[in-house]
Amino acid sequence: DAKTTQPPSMDCAEGRAANLPCNHSTISGNEYVYWYRQIHSQGPQYIIHGLKNNETNEMASLIITEDRKSSTLILPHATLRDTAVYYCIAGGGGANNLFFGTGTRLTVIP
Amino acid sequence: DAGVIQSPRHEVTEMGQEVTLRCKPISGHNSLFWYRQTMMRGLELLIYFNNNVPIDDSGMPEDRFSAKMPNASFSTLKIQPSEPRDSAVYFCASRLTVADTQYFGPGTRLTVL
Repeated sequence: DAKTTQPPSMDCAEGRAANLPCNHSTISGNEYVYWYRQIHSQGPQYIIHGLKNNETNEMASLIITEDRKSSTLILPHATLRDTAVYYCIAGGGGANNLFFGTGTRLTVIP
Repeated sequence: DAGVIQSPRHEVTEMGQEVTLRCKPISGHNSLFWYRQTMMRGLELLIYFNNNVPIDDSGMPEDRFSAKMPNASFSTLKIQPSEPRDSAVYFCASRLTVADTQYFGPGTRLTVL
């Protein structure tokens, strides 16, 4: 599975959009980009995933560059409850082994 | 939908004791995964099952660890004997099909004294 690189931490003002970047320059053609988040000590929560098209669901939007070497997770209106560690994972469809890495700790500030 | 259920949520035991962690996957899901999370090593896959059959146990740290899935609705992770370095949060996850994403349980926080 391709390795991903994320900034260790980010701050975002409450109500503003949070844009979390991820680099996956070694991603192969059949590997997806998955995003999960982990709030405090809870189990990781699935957010969204995509292959090459941009995706949107009720939680977030995923923007993948045309060369697929990087992506951005967008939380359109961050709330205090979005404070969490966000993990970007690149792997095969189904991703048997989700290599979580260290993620980005997002802090939403009132 | 109750989600993935894990028990106990917290376990404190003494070194040398046997520990059994339990997981009930989401109904109808065909794959089940056991992960361990520590501050030092992050989240690591220990073992996963497809249709109750262990497929990859390369992440199981040593022979003290064993996992079973006797049926589609139940799995156990056993540590015997337990050691202080086994202290971690253990997560179970399940997946509907190979093309689906994994859904995690709330975890079991294990402390071995």
